[in-house]
Amino acid sequence: ETGVTQTPRHLVMGMTNKKSLKCEQHLGHNAMYWYKQSAKKPLELMFVYNFKEQTENNSVPSRFSPECPNSSHLFLHLHTLQPEDSALYLCASSQGTLLAAERYEQYFGPGTRLTVT
Amino acid sequence: AQSVTQPDIHITVSEGASLELRCNYSYGATPYLFWYVQSPGQGLQLLLKYFSGDTLVQGIKGFEAEFKRSQSSFNLRKPSVHWSDAAEYFCAVGPSPPNFGNEKLTFGTGTRLTIIP
Repeated sequence: ETGVTQTPRHLVMGMTNKKSLKCEQHLGHNAMYWYKQSAKKPLELMFVYNFKEQTENNSVPSRFSPECPNSSHLFLHLHTLQPEDSALYLCASSQGTLLAAERYEQYFGPGTRLTVT
Repeated sequence: AQSVTQPDIHITVSEGASLELRCNYSYGATPYLFWYVQSPGQGLQLLLKYFSGDTLVQGIKGFEAEFKRSQSSFNLRKPSVHWSDAAEYFCAVGPSPPNFGNEKLTFGTGTRLTIIP
């Protein structure tokens, strides 16, 4: 595997279900991100992890719970979601150094298309 | 706060014709500027970036963009499009020094490009 992978690619869940999204990066990066992409809206940054530490929580509801066990893996745990949470969830990674050029050069996975019924 | 505007939601171009996608930003200083492309069912891929120096930057797949400070613009161009260029294109802005510590990319809403034979 190369780059950034995400599983599952598609997920349909009920509002009372609990599920998890998984992201894995094979690039040796140490910063990872979760984004939400909804139709007709700009990409929304949800969470940022640098060296496994959460450095950004962009006012995301608590029904979304991230986990970063190591620099290569990132999870997004979902529970009691709402229909408006249906979207494409993108994971990205970058080199978490002091150089802005490296921090901004983010590599994205293909996303998980989530539908909440 | 920084913001990005992509005024064209959808553009249709004939194969072989030239292309220009518009991007305007709002930021107090010279930001870092990016163009990403998202093919159907895929994540975002970085096309090119501007940090400083030459205002005309070259990217992958034959794309280029020109930073115009006076117009707060960073338009993407390609002299001759190919059918494989059909995708969604996103402009993004990030804060430049000395605003480190808040390295969030702000994305535009995207421009969908359709190529007709």
